[in-house]
Amino acid sequence: KQEVTQIPAALSVPEGENLVLNCSFTDSAIYNLQWFRQDPGKGLTSLLLIQSSQREQTSGRLNASLDKSSGRSTLYIAASQPGDSATYLCALTPAAGNKLTFGGGTRVLVKP
Amino acid sequence: GAGVSQSPSNKVTEKGKDVELRCDPISGHTALYWYRQSLGQGLEFLIYFQGNSAPDKSGLPSDRFSAERTGGSVSTLTIQRTQQEDSAVYLCASSLGLAGFYEQYFGPGTRLTVT
Repeated sequence: KQEVTQIPAALSVPEGENLVLNCSFTDSAIYNLQWFRQDPGKGLTSLLLIQSSQREQTSGRLNASLDKSSGRSTLYIAASQPGDSATYLCALTPAAGNKLTFGGGTRVLVKP
Repeated sequence: GAGVSQSPSNKVTEKGKDVELRCDPISGHTALYWYRQSLGQGLEFLIYFQGNSAPDKSGLPSDRFSAERTGGSVSTLTIQRTQQEDSAVYLCASSLGLAGFYEQYFGPGTRLTVT
């Protein structure tokens, strides 16, 4: 059974510092990995989708890497801003199915 | 364009009552998913619809939970004889097709509180 872990559960950084968020998974047989952002009381916003054949994806200040062999993905957010404060979740689509398996999320606070 | 919408945004119900939660997916999206987000449990998959195929119900926690999707568009999640442990945020998502190839877009969720 696929296990997805995000450590730490919470992170606080000063504005301007780069953010590094980790996601680890136990089964490398995946179709893709997706990073989401969730603001309090809101739904999920998709940030980046990495197909299993890709090593990374970039969008603006965001860069996500995928290393299937080690079961890891990392989301980098450059030059963090207070507006980046949110919970970040990673989710995998397994090769054998269509439903996402989510990590527990990392709650980020960027202090001005 | 319009995103995924869900109604109601909040629902408070008494234990034992039935509730219906509605999801309107993005137009043209053939795949629709329901998830549940509980404190301490994270996000868990409930059910998945893809086109005219039989739904994947493997995540439904009990036979009190059911869902249907009419006309390949709107979906309704029904919880019968609600229990306090059903209190959670119920999230709906849609995608252009199979999750392996397409991003899932989420609605704002319905917060269900069972008293």
